[in-house]
Amino acid sequence: QKEVEQDPGPLSVPEGAIVSLNCTYSNSAFQYFMWYRQYSRKGPELLMYTYSSGNKEDGRFTAQVDKSSKYISLFIRDSQPSDSATYLCAMSGKTSGSRLTFGEGTQLTVNP
Amino acid sequence: DSGVTQTPKHLITATGQRVTLRCSPRSGDLSVYWYQQSLDQGLQFLIQYYNGEERAKGNILERFSAQQFPDLHSELNLSSLELGDSALYFCASSVALADTQYFGPGTRLTVL
Repeated sequence: QKEVEQDPGPLSVPEGAIVSLNCTYSNSAFQYFMWYRQYSRKGPELLMYTYSSGNKEDGRFTAQVDKSSKYISLFIRDSQPSDSATYLCAMSGKTSGSRLTFGEGTQLTVNP
Repeated sequence: DSGVTQTPKHLITATGQRVTLRCSPRSGDLSVYWYQQSLDQGLQFLIQYYNGEERAKGNILERFSAQQFPDLHSELNLSSLELGDSALYFCASSVALADTQYFGPGTRLTVL
């Protein structure tokens, strides 16, 4: 069983929709949670960084972490065609050091 | 642009050969990480260096080795290459051991 599970999609939505992306994990030692965006196999770009449980908002993006359920989410409001990319969740913790463990990524397409 | 640079962008080589991938971290970053992204495995952590010293190892093959030099750039050496080594290789850097990681554009390796 993978430490981090993420639905690979693909996910297709119309422009302006609210997008919800999710990951579950099994390692309770994970403390740091990140979302990266990757365009066409280019370098992953950091979108959101969250420590422990709670919500964090940055513009159209909101990250949520629920450590009790081992579940993290990324919400994208007013989605744009430029948001079309693969979204990767990543996490790290005390026992794993600072190495990142990634989900396999969700491929998102926002249609104009 | 994350500030992390990687060369070359593309490498095409034959089985049994040896290649060297190079990474320059962001200015001021002391920690360098190497990740491999293949189609069937997702992003996998290979190895981490901090200020010239190896700090963590993932599932890195014995045929692979890395080092970080006094000027903080890092090189990943891949030898006795096999078809299955074809992948994207990303370098990431962070200021300290557990800080946010920023990824470079990657090197696409094709082994024929």
